[in-house]
Amino acid sequence: DAKTTQPTSMDCAEGRAANLPCNHSTISGNEYVYWYRQIHSQGPQYIIHGLKNNETNEMASLIITEDRKSSTLILPHATLRDTAVYYCIVRALNTGNQFYFGTGTSLTVIP
Amino acid sequence: NAGVMQNPRHLVRRRGQEARLRCSPMKGHSHVYWYRQLPEEGLKFMVYLQKENIIDESGMPKERFSAEFPKEGPSILRIQQVVRGDSAAYFCASSPGTSGSSYNEQFFGPGTRLTVL
Repeated sequence: DAKTTQPTSMDCAEGRAANLPCNHSTISGNEYVYWYRQIHSQGPQYIIHGLKNNETNEMASLIITEDRKSSTLILPHATLRDTAVYYCIVRALNTGNQFYFGTGTSLTVIP
Repeated sequence: NAGVMQNPRHLVRRRGQEARLRCSPMKGHSHVYWYRQLPEEGLKFMVYLQKENIIDESGMPKERFSAEFPKEGPSILRIQQVVRGDSAAYFCASSPGTSGSSYNEQFFGPGTRLTVL
């Protein structure tokens, strides 16, 4: 699985959009981009995933560059409850299914 | 529909004792994964099991650690003769399977926090 690079930490004002970047320059054509988050040592929570098209769900939007070497997770209106560690993971299907978590980005939403 | 359940949530053991961690996957899920998270680190994959089979144990330490997922009952992660370095949060995840889906989201349990004294 390709490695990802994320900033160690970020701050965001409550109510503003939080934009979390991820670099995955060695991503393969069959690898998806997944985002999970972990709130205060709870179990990781799935947020969103995508292959090459931008994706949106009730939690977030995922913007993937055309060359797929980087992506951005957008939380449109951050709340205090969005304070968490956010993990960007790339993984192909049918590769044993395990996720390889890096150190992620620690997002702090400030009142 | 209950989520992934893990018990106990907290476990304290003395060095040399055995630790048994249990994971009940979501209903209908036949794939279970165990991860370990050391303090201030990300999750590390340990083992991937299907019912009665170990599919990938590449992340498991070679000694003292074992995992099973019997036909009936929860998945068990067993750590024999625990040492202080085993102190960590152990997370279990489940998924329905690998075929016929465009992605395979893993649903994580709340974790078991093991403390070795």
